[in-house]
Amino acid sequence: DQQVKQNSPSLSVQEGRISILNCDYTNSMFDYFLWYKKYPAEGPTFLISISSIKDKNEDGRFTVFLNKSAKHLSLHIVPSQPGDSAVYFCAASPLNFGNEKLTFGTGTRLTIIP
Amino acid sequence: NAGVMQNPRHLVRRRGQEARLRCSPMKGHSHVYWYRQLPEEGLKFMVYLQKENIIDESGMPKERFSAEFPKEGPSILRIQQVVRGDSAAYFCASSPLLRQGADGYTFGSGTRLTVV
Repeated sequence: DQQVKQNSPSLSVQEGRISILNCDYTNSMFDYFLWYKKYPAEGPTFLISISSIKDKNEDGRFTVFLNKSAKHLSLHIVPSQPGDSAVYFCAASPLNFGNEKLTFGTGTRLTIIP
Repeated sequence: NAGVMQNPRHLVRRRGQEARLRCSPMKGHSHVYWYRQLPEEGLKFMVYLQKENIIDESGMPKERFSAEFPKEGPSILRIQQVVRGDSAAYFCASSPLLRQGADGYTFGSGTRLTVV
């Protein structure tokens, strides 16, 4: 039962253009959403997060949008740079922060073409 | 300030042997989490520990797997009588006592277990 889904296993984008990575979830108890970036042979690195009381959060080139009614979030990277090439994981957790368990999607491999 | 340290980075075990994976959290972090990533899949939660306490082990397989986080020393994930299906990357994360939500997680580089 995949509660967090990233339906695009891979995405290629020209350098300088916008990269849009998508994520869908099914569990209504999820209230906090995060994006992680992962390079080969390294652990995931936290990128940006959003709570369900917001619909947008921005940090430099990275913006996360949340559509709670559609149970959908997306990560926008603009402009895309070669160093952005990595696997991106969407993750979710419930409102209760007594339980820090994260549920991850299967990841999207982003390749930035110079 | 060293990050989350996991060792070994790579571990090869024959079927039926035991695997011990170690995780030293970041300095000042008292919460440890273990996740497993099977090939072509996302990370799956296994267990959440504080010093000398298992808080949530809902993701741990019922048999052969155990975890501890003693008062002194690293957290250990132990897999007894390994099988080929245990081959995966095992990631440890830590966070401080005063939680900042999951933003406060720091992941280690992982241990890649191969069972032959």
